[in-house]
Amino acid sequence: NAGVTQTPKFQVLKTGQSMTLQCAQDMNHEYMSWYRQDPGMGLRLIHYSVGAGITDQGEVPNGYNVSRSTTEDFPLRLLSAAPSQTSVYFCASSYSRDRSYEQYFGPGTRLTVT
Amino acid sequence: EDKVVQSPLSLVVHEGDTVTLNCSYEVTNFRSLLWYKQEKKAPTFLFMLTSSGIEKKSGRLSSILDKKELSSILNITATQTGDSAIYLCAVEGGSEKLVFGKGTKLTVNP
Repeated sequence: NAGVTQTPKFQVLKTGQSMTLQCAQDMNHEYMSWYRQDPGMGLRLIHYSVGAGITDQGEVPNGYNVSRSTTEDFPLRLLSAAPSQTSVYFCASSYSRDRSYEQYFGPGTRLTVT
Repeated sequence: EDKVVQSPLSLVVHEGDTVTLNCSYEVTNFRSLLWYKQEKKAPTFLFMLTSSGIEKKSGRLSSILDKKELSSILNITATQTGDSAIYLCAVEGGSEKLVFGKGTKLTVNP
């Protein structure tokens, strides 16, 4: 049971490049989400999914796309990277969207956009 | 807009001290409040609180929710250097999304 895995751990992009951050979980969790964490800003929700085929926007969705074709995978796509997207990105999953859930976080991806 | 405010933003104490971290919130249709500890990497779950006045405890850590005051506190007694971390508070409201505070950075010096 690997929990929540994220790849890559580190990435450097040039402005305008696109890339996909991978997230996978093997706990059969329904709910998955992506956060970004900037110094002094806490965690901010980018996109989330309550099940395969269903996604929705969080607090800071601009510049990012997601899809959820399977229960296990929830990739985050940066369409045209900008320096403002330099951040640490965390993927998280939980059993369900109801009251009694706790989120398990992946190890994070540190992204730098130059 | 849902909002979570943590205080203080940073705190430096000596080993053995007791600390109290605060979290206040404004959310529509409150459902739960969660505390996380973040060391070098990903946050790890500490407590979830849904009912007012009930204390959750785990060793030297405890937390209580006050729904009337829209707040929660996290207490750590007999602090150790290993307690040094960022402590995050998050609240789930009617939107069913977690809203996080900015965190309290705790440093425990030997």
